[in-house]
Amino acid sequence: KNEVEQSPQNLTAQEGEFITINCSYSVGISALHWLQQHPGGGIVSLFMLSSGKKKHGRLIATINIQEKHSSLHITASHPRDSAVYICAVRNRDDKIIFGKGTRLHILP
Amino acid sequence: KAGVTQTPRYLIKTRGQQVTLSCSPISGHRSVSWYQQTPGQGLQFLFEYFSETQRNKGNFPGRFSGRQFSNSRSEMNVSTLELGDSALYLCASSLVGQSSYNEQFFGPGTRLTVL
Repeated sequence: KNEVEQSPQNLTAQEGEFITINCSYSVGISALHWLQQHPGGGIVSLFMLSSGKKKHGRLIATINIQEKHSSLHITASHPRDSAVYICAVRNRDDKIIFGKGTRLHILP
Repeated sequence: KAGVTQTPRYLIKTRGQQVTLSCSPISGHRSVSWYQQTPGQGLQFLFEYFSETQRNKGNFPGRFSGRQFSNSRSEMNVSTLELGDSALYLCASSLVGQSSYNEQFFGPGTRLTVL
């Protein structure tokens, strides 16, 4: 079993829909990151969380440390949000472990 | 402020050769991390450097090595290349190391193909 699990693996939605991507982890962590990777490979760091909730524009990230779970939400989704979203955790040994990613496709 | 730059962007090598990839962090950033991304394994952590010292290393064989210079620029080297080393190699810089609370800024990556 992977130490960081994401669901769903693939998600197709219509423009305007509310999107939720989930990340569960099985190790103790000091921080959790959400990354966005567009076709062509460029990666952008969206959020870094150690507790609670963060919001940036239409993106919201939450983390529940007790349940070892984080969610990334996208409100009013747009085709430009189409990308791979990757959850990564920094464990107690300070190593970063990545989920396999969620491929999101927003249809116009 | 210029972003993280990586050179070269694309590279083709043959099995058994060795390769050196370069990463220039954002000005003022002292921490550089390297990652390998393949379709099968996804993103995997290679190593992290801070102030010329390797502070963390992932589970890769000794053929993978790196170093950081006094200007924070970093290089990674892969010796005796294998077909499975074909991947996108990404580097990321952050302001300081020794902390879990620093945002990382990624470079565009070097796509290595081993024939």
